[in-house]
Amino acid sequence: GENVEQHPSTLSVQEGDSAVIKCTYSDSASNYFPWYKQELGKRPQLIIDIRSNVGEKKDQRIAVTLNKTAKHFSLHITETQPEDSAVYFCAASTLYNFNKFYFGSGTKLNVKP
Amino acid sequence: KAGVTQTPRYLIKTRGQQVTLSCSPISGHRSVSWYQQTPGQGLQFLFEYFSETQRNKGNFPGRFSGRQFSNSRSEMNVSTLELGDSALYLCASSLEGITEAFFGQGTRLTVV
Repeated sequence: GENVEQHPSTLSVQEGDSAVIKCTYSDSASNYFPWYKQELGKRPQLIIDIRSNVGEKKDQRIAVTLNKTAKHFSLHITETQPEDSAVYFCAASTLYNFNKFYFGSGTKLNVKP
Repeated sequence: KAGVTQTPRYLIKTRGQQVTLSCSPISGHRSVSWYQQTPGQGLQFLFEYFSETQRNKGNFPGRFSGRQFSNSRSEMNVSTLELGDSALYLCASSLEGITEAFFGQGTRLTVV
């Protein structure tokens, strides 16, 4: 089955700096890659997603890049703010597995004011 | 539009007991998935239901089971509870096809 690895496990940045979280996947059939943000005690919420026919997607301060050949995708957050502090999860899903998501282990992002 | 609702929010059970968790998806969503979240293992897929049929199952023992009703509401059951079953159980609902999964607040299960 699919295996998603996520790095780093913790990331501490100064407010205003950029943060990058990287994920790799193993199944070349994976074609949908969402990123979820989970604040303490809250539910995971989708912040951005990308499909395998697209190399990059941007939404304001958040961007995701996908390299299908290398089987890795990354989350980029620019101009970080204290409210960006949370745990971020990457995930992968394949067409034949319907809504079965394989999640990375999570990255705890701490944005210091 | 109401979000995904899970009940109860918190549960404390004793080893050997069984438990049933409930999930009401967003109106119109027919796919419901269940995940177990623990600090050590992260988010692990349990199973997914669509139109009352289980389409996918994760690598959990048979003590974990689920079902979906005609109104798309879903339940998961864990029998013969073990201490290691203590976790946050999240359900997520989606439209048909590979789309965004909307998560509920989760049920925090503690087995003592």
